Amino acid sequence: KQEVTQIPAALSVPEGENLVLNCSFTDSAIYNLQWFRQDPGKGLTSLLLIQSSQREQTSGRLNASLDKSSGRSTLYIAASQPGDSATYLCAVWANNLFFGTGTRLTVIP
Amino acid sequence: DGGITQSPKYLFRKEGQNVTLSCEQNLNHDAMYWYRQDPGQGLRLIYYSQIVNDFQKGDIAEGYSVSREKKESFPLTVTSAQKNPTAFYLCATDPADTGELFFGEGSRLTVL
Repeated sequence: KQEVTQIPAALSVPEGENLVLNCSFTDSAIYNLQWFRQDPGKGLTSLLLIQSSQREQTSGRLNASLDKSSGRSTLYIAASQPGDSATYLCAVWANNLFFGTGTRLTVIP
Repeated sequence: DGGITQSPKYLFRKEGQNVTLSCEQNLNHDAMYWYRQDPGQGLRLIYYSQIVNDFQKGDIAEGYSVSREKKESFPLTVTSAQKNPTAFYLCATDPADTGELFFGEGSRLTVL
């Protein structure tokens, strides 16, 4: 069964720093990978979707990469802001959606 | 407004009572899902439906029931058979069962 892991579980950085969040998955037979943001007590907001044939996707200060062969994805956040503080989850689609447990990011002003 | 509406946002119930969580969408998406989220755990799939009048069990369906009588609506009933129902419940839709999910704002159920 597909397992998705996100390390670290929590991360604190000072404002302005660039940072990388990691996501790994055990089975490379995926159709796509999606990064979500979740604010406390809220639903998930989709940030980026990478199809299995793609290597990366960019949206504003966010860049997500996908390396299927190694079972890894990274979410790069440039010039972090306090408003970026949230939990970030990755999920892989393989006839079902498998979620990681998330990385809780705190950006300190 | 377009989107996915979950209600109620907060719900308190006594043990042994059935409760129904509402999920309505006006995105015209075919597939709808219910997930459960507990602290420190990833989202777990309860039920999903790819078409009206059809639905499938997910990983943790025991103690839950659903219906899909209309494309727009996918209500979830948490029955008294669910041993630990206190959790955050999330409804999601997918336009074409491709894994690109859109989520509602969630419903927090607390059983007293």
